[in-house]
Amino acid sequence: SYELTQPPSVSVSPGQTARITCSGDALPKQYAYWYQQKPGQAPVLVIYKDSERPSGIPERFSGSSSGTTVTLTISGVQAEDEADYYCQSADSSGTYKVFGGGTKLTVL
Amino acid sequence: EVQLVESGGGLVKPGGSLRLSCAASGFTFSNAWMNWVRQAPGKGLEWVGRIKSKTDGGTTDYAAPVKGRFTISRDDSKNTLYLQMNSLKTEDTAVYYCTTGLNFGDDAFDIWGQGTMVTVSS
Repeated sequence: SYELTQPPSVSVSPGQTARITCSGDALPKQYAYWYQQKPGQAPVLVIYKDSERPSGIPERFSGSSSGTTVTLTISGVQAEDEADYYCQSADSSGTYKVFGGGTKLTVL
Repeated sequence: EVQLVESGGGLVKPGGSLRLSCAASGFTFSNAWMNWVRQAPGKGLEWVGRIKSKTDGGTTDYAAPVKGRFTISRDDSKNTLYLQMNSLKTEDTAVYYCTTGLNFGDDAFDIWGQGTMVTVSS
């Protein structure tokens, strides 16, 4: 079955830039989406279609894509950004959705 | 206000069945492609399956671990999504969320419920 691979954890100091990667063979064909999830809460969409940002999401959140890897970048990380982040995409057919394993962002 | 509210979770024995519901409000439910996503305790998100709108065929797709055991259905007259879970296994223990892509495309899940907990244990 199709898988998306994320690093389990990323740590940055406040004000620094955090980059979270997500790799998958079908990413050149399928859009990627990114979600932020804080403890005890439902996920929140922060990036859609690789690099688009929903209204209400701070400008410090951005997304990019290159080949089989997509990247979520958080510039000027704040303490409130500490959370789990998940990428999501689909297999090559587009039918079956899949989430990456998640990355815990720690703000030191 | 756009809202999804899940219900029906609880404790069930292995091999048992349970039906979850997701009540939608604040948007045109009949036009929405609806999904179920689950999250086992301390684990990541897992897509369970999706049902398209009736105008788009109303067809369903399921993740491999639940195919043949879970059934997604919808009642547009009641603005409600369902997840019928049969032959439950301990590994089905999770918080179950209903979700949809309302504003940014069908695959951009921007609306989520609060989740309902399902525990499969003897």
